[in-house]
Amino acid sequence: DAGVIQSPRHEVTEMGQEVTLRCKPISGHNSLFWYRQTMMRGLELLIYFNNNVPIDDSGMPEDRFSAKMPNASFSTLKIQPSEPRDSAVYFCASSWDRGWYNEQFFGPGTRLTVL
Amino acid sequence: GQNIDQPTEMTATEGAIVQINCTYQTSGFNGLFWYQQHAGEAPTFLSYNVLDGLEEKGRFSSFLSRSKGYSYLLLKELQMKDSASYLCAVRLHSGNTPLVFGKGTRLSVIA
Repeated sequence: DAGVIQSPRHEVTEMGQEVTLRCKPISGHNSLFWYRQTMMRGLELLIYFNNNVPIDDSGMPEDRFSAKMPNASFSTLKIQPSEPRDSAVYFCASSWDRGWYNEQFFGPGTRLTVL
Repeated sequence: GQNIDQPTEMTATEGAIVQINCTYQTSGFNGLFWYQQHAGEAPTFLSYNVLDGLEEKGRFSSFLSRSKGYSYLLLKELQMKDSASYLCAVRLHSGNTPLVFGKGTRLSVIA
């Protein structure tokens, strides 16, 4: 079975440019999470969706960040305009409600560098 | 705010046993997770505790004390491939809800 798929794996861009990160969750999973990982702050939640509906976006740093989930098999995280402080690894994770521990499966991440 | 603390780094010898501690002070609690993350890779699920006590899974065990806000991950018969970061995470609410992660403990296994 394919796991969570993210693209691109690496992105290098210049300050001010728009960046779009993509995620395909595991088929059948009904929750999707976007996390960001930096050395200073560790792994932090940005936003999550249940059944394609955004539930909590309080972790989104500011209006420059936006996320969508148009259907159960695709989500995007957009940064516009990008800034050097956005440099981090962005992970997408998915899970489904099995009623016990609802383990989250992580994608390989997108390493973003903003120059 | 939510507080999850774990040591930044640990070193242990191949074949030995190591215990990685995690303490938490959070506004809610619906389970504690341990994830393993090799450098440059995604976190992968190791264990889950929601009730007090020890959960054993092969060479890995995880313990939880909810009254003390404390957990540990025990790795036995260490192998070089166990060199990785170990992330402690708390789920605050029931259901398919996000995890709050500690900053991770980087474990180095030496010969």
